[in-house]
Amino acid sequence: SQQGEEDPQALSIQEGENATMNCSYKTSINNLQWYRQNSGRGLVHLILIRSNEREKHSGRLRVTLDTSKKSSSLLITASRAADTASYFCATGGGFQKLVFGTGTRLLVSP
Amino acid sequence: EPEVTQTPSHQVTQMGQEVILRCVPISNHLYFYWYRQILGQKVEFLVSFYNNEISEKSEIFDDQFSVERPDGSNFTLKIRSTKLEDSAMYFCASNSFRQGFTSGNTIYFGEGSWLTVV
Repeated sequence: SQQGEEDPQALSIQEGENATMNCSYKTSINNLQWYRQNSGRGLVHLILIRSNEREKHSGRLRVTLDTSKKSSSLLITASRAADTASYFCATGGGFQKLVFGTGTRLLVSP
Repeated sequence: EPEVTQTPSHQVTQMGQEVILRCVPISNHLYFYWYRQILGQKVEFLVSFYNNEISEKSEIFDDQFSVERPDGSNFTLKIRSTKLEDSAMYFCASNSFRQGFTSGNTIYFGEGSWLTVV
C-alpha cells in the first residue's frame, strides 16, 4: 500500500530560516498532498501536487515531486514562529483514502 | 470558506459505553471519511462513505464501528462498546471528487473530536 514517510522526524530552526521536510512513498500515485497540524488540532490542507507536476508554489510554501525517486519535499521559506506545527504528507485523495506519513514536527523559535 | 464541522470537540466516556461522533461535511461534497489519530501516532484511515454506503473500510473499522448519514447534512460515527484503545482524536473529512474532473482531489478535514475512554 502507499505510505508516506517523512524525514526528519523533528526539525528545530530559528525564525527567518528555511525549513525543508521530505517525504518518501512506496507505490505509484496520482497526487500527493501536504497537511499541517497544530498541536491537538485538525488537519489543514496546504498543497496538492499531481503526479505530472514537478513543482508547485503557494505563498511561502514550495513543494517538489520526484516520481522516479518516489519522493516529495516541502520547503517553507522565511519561517515564522506561527509555522510551528507537525507537517504530514499523504498519498491518495480524490475518491481514494489518504495514507499519511509519520509527520515532521517543526519548531520555529523566535 | 466552507468547512467540515465536528461535535463534540471533547468527550470522556466509560469503557463499554456507546459513543456517537457527529460531523457536518461541506455541503456540496460527495465523499465522506472518518480517520483517527492515537496520541503521538500517525493519522489512520477508518472508513469512506459514498452514495449512502461504505465504499472502503480499514481493519480498524470492526463490528464495533458503524457510520450513518441520517439526513442530508450529518455524517456520524458510532462506537458501540468503547474500549480503552479507542481513545484517540477522530477526524471527519469530505471531498467533492467527481470522475473526469480535475478538481475535487483535496480532502478537507474537521477540527476533530477528542475521545477519552476511561
